[in-house]
Amino acid sequence: DTAVSQTPKYLVTQMGNDKSIKCEQNLGHDTMYWYKQDSKKFLKIMFSYNNKELIINETVPNRFSPKSPDKAHLNLHINSLELGDSAVYFCASSLLRGSTDTQYFGPGTRLTVL
Amino acid sequence: AQKITQTQPGMFVQEKEAVTLDCTYDTSDPSYGLFWYKQPSSGEMIFLIYQGSYDQQNATEGRYSLNFQKARKSANLVISASQLGDSAMYFCAMRDPQNSGGSNYKLTFGKGTLLTVNP
Repeated sequence: DTAVSQTPKYLVTQMGNDKSIKCEQNLGHDTMYWYKQDSKKFLKIMFSYNNKELIINETVPNRFSPKSPDKAHLNLHINSLELGDSAVYFCASSLLRGSTDTQYFGPGTRLTVL
Repeated sequence: AQKITQTQPGMFVQEKEAVTLDCTYDTSDPSYGLFWYKQPSSGEMIFLIYQGSYDQQNATEGRYSLNFQKARKSANLVISASQLGDSAMYFCAMRDPQNSGGSNYKLTFGKGTLLTVNP
């Protein structure tokens, strides 16, 4: 039983292309997130969605556009990919009204921009 | 200013021994949560343990325990009886409204500690 899933796991593309990463959670959570992990392993929040509503946009370039069709899905679309976008992107989810609001992470998508 | 500090880039421990991974944090909000995650070489982020700022007792989960010292603003992870499979990167993270624009919608992570368990 996969709790938080992401597709694809690996994404290799050319600079300037547009790509999407999909995320789905089957935990019944109400909040979903996108994090970026850079080459030094540092993890930083990009976006938070609560009940399909954008809550946090952490100074991410406009080329990144999240979309949440429903509470169980949060997709990330990236336009005009740049070399600096190469990273591992993690989706996560949590139940905001839960006792701990623990965030559970997906397996990550390793994006390589050539 | 760094909100979560992990001062040990790398740690080594012998199999079956205990190890402590350090984490200090900075917030003036009275309500916050502290988390530890494990990231093995395969890349996934695995939740280990949680400590709430109002929790009276230190959190424990199997071989993991959290040494929570509120006055010192530290939340060290203790792994007892280390196993080879514990070799991984370990991240301390904090959820606090002060750093989330008044909400609880993000985690702030430390830079991580790479733990190596030697046989």
